[in-house]
Amino acid sequence: RKEVEQDPGPFNVPEGATVAFNCTYSNSASQSFFWYRQDCRKEPKLLMSVYSSGNEDGRFTAQLNRASQYISLLIRDSKLSDSATYLCVVKGGNNRKLIWGLGTS
Amino acid sequence: DAGVTQSPTHLIKTRGQQVTLRCSPKSGHDTVSWYQQALGQGPQFIFQYYEEEERQRGNFPDRFSGHQFPNYSSELNVNALLLGDSALYLCASSKDRGETQYFGPGTRLLVL
Repeated sequence: RKEVEQDPGPFNVPEGATVAFNCTYSNSASQSFFWYRQDCRKEPKLLMSVYSSGNEDGRFTAQLNRASQYISLLIRDSKLSDSATYLCVVKGGNNRKLIWGLGTS
Repeated sequence: DAGVTQSPTHLIKTRGQQVTLRCSPKSGHDTVSWYQQALGQGPQFIFQYYEEEERQRGNFPDRFSGHQFPNYSSELNVNALLLGDSALYLCASSKDRGETQYFGPGTRLLVL
C-alpha cells in the first residue's frame, strides 16, 4: 500500500457544481496534512493546511478523518479557474518527512 | 519580498553528463528541500538542507548530491545522468525546517 494515495481522476466538474476528493494515508502516526494546488507546468502552491477540527477558506473546505486515515477537500461553486491538480501532502510520524500524493486532476 | 528562485529554467543534457541546479530561498527562510517531479507524478523528495548540512534524504542514489551555502542558497548536483532523470526539479524553502514550504518555478531537465 502506498503511503499516500489519491484518485488521479480526472474529475470533470461543471461550473457551479460541488466536488470532493479524498486522500488516504497509511501511517497512523502522521501528524500534519496539507493540500497543494499545482497548475499545468507550474510549481505547487499551498492551498490549505488540514486541522483536526477541519478548516474552511472561502469555497474550499478541508477535513481530516483520523479513524479512517484520510483527508478530504471539498470545492463548492466550482469555477473554471479551479482547474488544476490537487496534491495531498502528509507529514510522517517521527521522521518529519513530507510524503506527496500523485495528485488529483 | 523575493520568492524562491531557481536557475536555469530549462536544461538539456546527454546521458552520462553532470548537471548543477541552483536555488535561492525566499527571504527569511533558511531551509531548502529539493524534489523531483516526473510527468504525471507527484513531487518526490530528494533531500533537505538546513544549517549547511543534509538533514533528510529520500530514496535517491548517491548520484544526487547537494550543498547549502552560508547565505542559505543551495545546489543540486546530479552525476552520470540517465534518461530517467528527465523531470522538473523543484526547490522549496521554509523557515526552521517548517512544514509550510514555498516552491520555486522549477528547472526542467531533459536528458537525451
